[in-house]
Amino acid sequence: DIQMTQSPSSVSASVGDRVTITCRASQGISNWLAWYQQKPGKAPKVLIYAASSLQSGVPSRFSGSGSGTDFTLTISSLQPEDFATYYCQQADIFPRTFGPGTKVDIK
Amino acid sequence: QVQLVESGGGVVQPGRSLRLSCAASGFTVSSYGMHWVRQAPGKGLEWVAVIWYDGSTKYYADSVKGRFIISRDDSKNTLYLEKNSLRAEDTAVYYCARDIAPTIPYGMDVWGQGTTVTVSS
Repeated sequence: DIQMTQSPSSVSASVGDRVTITCRASQGISNWLAWYQQKPGKAPKVLIYAASSLQSGVPSRFSGSGSGTDFTLTISSLQPEDFATYYCQQADIFPRTFGPGTKVDIK
Repeated sequence: QVQLVESGGGVVQPGRSLRLSCAASGFTVSSYGMHWVRQAPGKGLEWVAVIWYDGSTKYYADSVKGRFIISRDDSKNTLYLEKNSLRAEDTAVYYCARDIAPTIPYGMDVWGQGTTVTVSS
């Protein structure tokens, strides 16, 4: 199975801050990576697919990059509604493993 | 409106069985890969199973292989997860989700609200 790691596990930030989350796969997955946002008690919401493609309806302050084993999710200017937990998921092979999550909370 | 609605969760004793349902509206489940993902209390997301858009292929997480069965009823536009030999560690919120595209591994764009399964004696 492909193991996914994320760093940091949590980050405290202020509105307007630039936030970067890193995801690493234990083996190359080309660009088959998705990023999800999850708020407490809610289902996940896809933000980015194919490593860098913005899902329809997602604000442009979210961006993704990377390929192979190393990927990043960047929030260019953190907004109040962005405080949540973010997960990466590899979509290259089954089982489609998720990273452990990065919690973004208010500083 | 594109929507997934899960049902069938509840409290069940260890070793018993339970079937979850996921009713789709606004699209046809037979046109998309459909997944189950679960989340144990206070934990992260765990992918559980998938059924291919054409129904030809199913994959399972090692943790449920041999115990869970994913299926669908195209006439009812509904996805199922049959869970057998339940264990305490199967306690979680179970989500069904749709692939963004039928044949391209992009990820999942439509999710249900989740149904809670508690395995306890």
